[in-house]
Amino acid sequence: QKEVEQNSGPLSVPEGAIASLNCTYSDRGSQSFFWYRQYSGKSPELIMSIYSNGDQEDGRFTAQLNKASQYVSLLIRDSQPSDSATYLCAVRGGSQGNLIFGKGTKLSVKP
Amino acid sequence: NAGVTQTPKFRILKIGQSMTLQCTQDMNHNYMYWYRQDPGMGLKLIYYSVGAGITDKGEVPNGYNVSRSTTEDFPLRLELAAPSQTSVYFCASKRDSYEQYFGPGTRLTVT
Repeated sequence: QKEVEQNSGPLSVPEGAIASLNCTYSDRGSQSFFWYRQYSGKSPELIMSIYSNGDQEDGRFTAQLNKASQYVSLLIRDSQPSDSATYLCAVRGGSQGNLIFGKGTKLSVKP
Repeated sequence: NAGVTQTPKFRILKIGQSMTLQCTQDMNHNYMYWYRQDPGMGLKLIYYSVGAGITDKGEVPNGYNVSRSTTEDFPLRLELAAPSQTSVYFCASKRDSYEQYFGPGTRLTVT
């Protein structure tokens, strides 16, 4: 059974700080990793994809992948109150593209 | 494009009733997915389809059925609803190796 683990939080950071969210996965053969943001009562929205070791940056967001440690992280720089949401880590689980999700980390950015 | 649409947005069912959750996408995506999300949990895959006429079970298929007669539509059928099926249901679609797009969700309560 492939699993994705996340700390459920809540993670609270002050406005302007760096928020760091972490995720581990069980299947060493996994190749594709995703971070989704989910506002309360809304559907998940893809914010980052990462496929190779190292960092992938997009604006204030940086995804980091370490396949040897089976670890994925998401850094949010200059956190804003609008970043307050649940962040879901997902790993592609099979050849048909279905995703295996962690339970999500709830982030709260305090003004 | 409307993207992925789901109906209804909310529904309350009595135990033993049946219903169909509708999902339609207008992006000509070949892959479509049904997930459920219980409170404080990640999304779990119920069924998926790789194209019209082809469906397969995901992680939690019991109590559900699907069909895919057209590229656009992927309805999810609940037979004999049970309280354990109280959840938020998300439909998603994608083309080949690209990202999944999620619909707005259907919030279902079974009492």
